[in-house]
Amino acid sequence: DQQVKQNSPSLSVQEGRISILNCDYTNSMFDYFLWYKKYPAEGPTFLISISSIKDKNEDGRFTVFLNKSAKHLSLHIVPSQPGDSAVYFCAASAGTALIFGKGTTLSVSS
Amino acid sequence: DTAVSQTPKYLVTQMGNDKSIKCEQNLGHDTMYWYKQDSKKFLKIMFSYNNKELIINETVPNRFSPKSPDKAHLNLHINSLELGDSAVYFCASSPSEGDRATNEKLFFGSGTQLSVL
Repeated sequence: DQQVKQNSPSLSVQEGRISILNCDYTNSMFDYFLWYKKYPAEGPTFLISISSIKDKNEDGRFTVFLNKSAKHLSLHIVPSQPGDSAVYFCAASAGTALIFGKGTTLSVSS
Repeated sequence: DTAVSQTPKYLVTQMGNDKSIKCEQNLGHDTMYWYKQDSKKFLKIMFSYNNKELIINETVPNRFSPKSPDKAHLNLHINSLELGDSAVYFCASSPSEGDRATNEKLFFGSGTQLSVL
């Protein structure tokens, strides 16, 4: 039973354009959400997070939006750069362990 | 200076063998985890330890036994390896005394690719 779903396995974007990665969750107890980025042969690294009391959090080129009523969050990367090419994992927490989605592979072409 | 290091990076072994994966963190964190990434790419929590005490033990076969000699180390021992154990195993750590923004931020090792033949 997938509690965190990333329905798009891959996304291709041109350099300079916006990348939008989506994530849906089913557990209404989740109250903290994170995005991790993973390069091949490396572990995931923290990118940005958001608490359920907010609907937006911004850090440089990265913005996470949370729609609690729809149980949906998205990560916007503007402008996208070739170095952003990686697997992006959405994760959610109810205060115990992080539950991860399957990831979306982002490819940014120059 | 690697924050979370796990060894070995690759592990190829035969069915039925016993193997261990070691993990060490130098971040001073109180909480350590083992995650498994299977062929479907899901990252699933296996175990969580806080100050050497087991906090989370998900539905994992008894053949998997974590050992935490101190709060900087969390090793994973696997008995009687099976084909289905082939996966990438990630160790991670996090603090436990800060706010949610601090405590929920996990630091991962680079993973151990386990192949059972």
